[in-house]
Amino acid sequence: GAVVSQHPSRVICKSGTSVKIECRSLDFQATTMFWYRQFPKQSLMLMATSNEGSKATYEQGVEKDKFLINHASLTLSTLTVTSAHPEDSSFYICSATPQGRGYYEQYFGPGTRLTVT
Amino acid sequence: GENVEQHPSTLSVQEGDSAVIKCTYSDSASNYFPWYKQELGKGPQLIIDIRSNVGEKKDQRIAVTLNKTAKHFSLHITETQPEDSAVYFCAARTPFRSGSEKLVFGKGTKLTVNP
Repeated sequence: GAVVSQHPSRVICKSGTSVKIECRSLDFQATTMFWYRQFPKQSLMLMATSNEGSKATYEQGVEKDKFLINHASLTLSTLTVTSAHPEDSSFYICSATPQGRGYYEQYFGPGTRLTVT
Repeated sequence: GENVEQHPSTLSVQEGDSAVIKCTYSDSASNYFPWYKQELGKGPQLIIDIRSNVGEKKDQRIAVTLNKTAKHFSLHITETQPEDSAVYFCAARTPFRSGSEKLVFGKGTKLTVNP
């Protein structure tokens, strides 16, 4: 149980284009989904927290207009990187917390490797 | 805000030996402490966690201990195997009353188990 998927696993795009990454909880409904960014050999950096049906909460320093997050249902959240640039190249990982009181666990997806050329 | 320190950054052990990774946190109100294992090119996998009302938790070869007074928690892996080689992250959950239910991660420990 507690499986989170991401699509695509890898994407290469040209500078200036937009890329959408999907995050799905496959066997549970998620109260909250999180989006992280991870640089090589570094820790996970939280970008934003999203709750179904409401606006995402972004961490300080993360551009809202550049990283658009939509949490349309209890099993799906999307991250759109708009007008991508080479410095946006990174490993993006989502996580989800099961719905219901008392759930603290975050289950992570397999990640999406974004390369902007 | 919460700050999590993790040590060591790298750890090399012989197969069959034990491995211990330690983390400290700054916010005494933090109430949940998970450990994740991340293999190269993959997402983190939750391997064990502990809540602040418990001092120790064990799952087969893996155990976690928590000292709330000292604000530190540790991961213990016994009888290590080569497949235990990975990067391990500790994290602390900031409490709900802060308005932010998020995990703050340590910088990770690269564990290598030599056959």
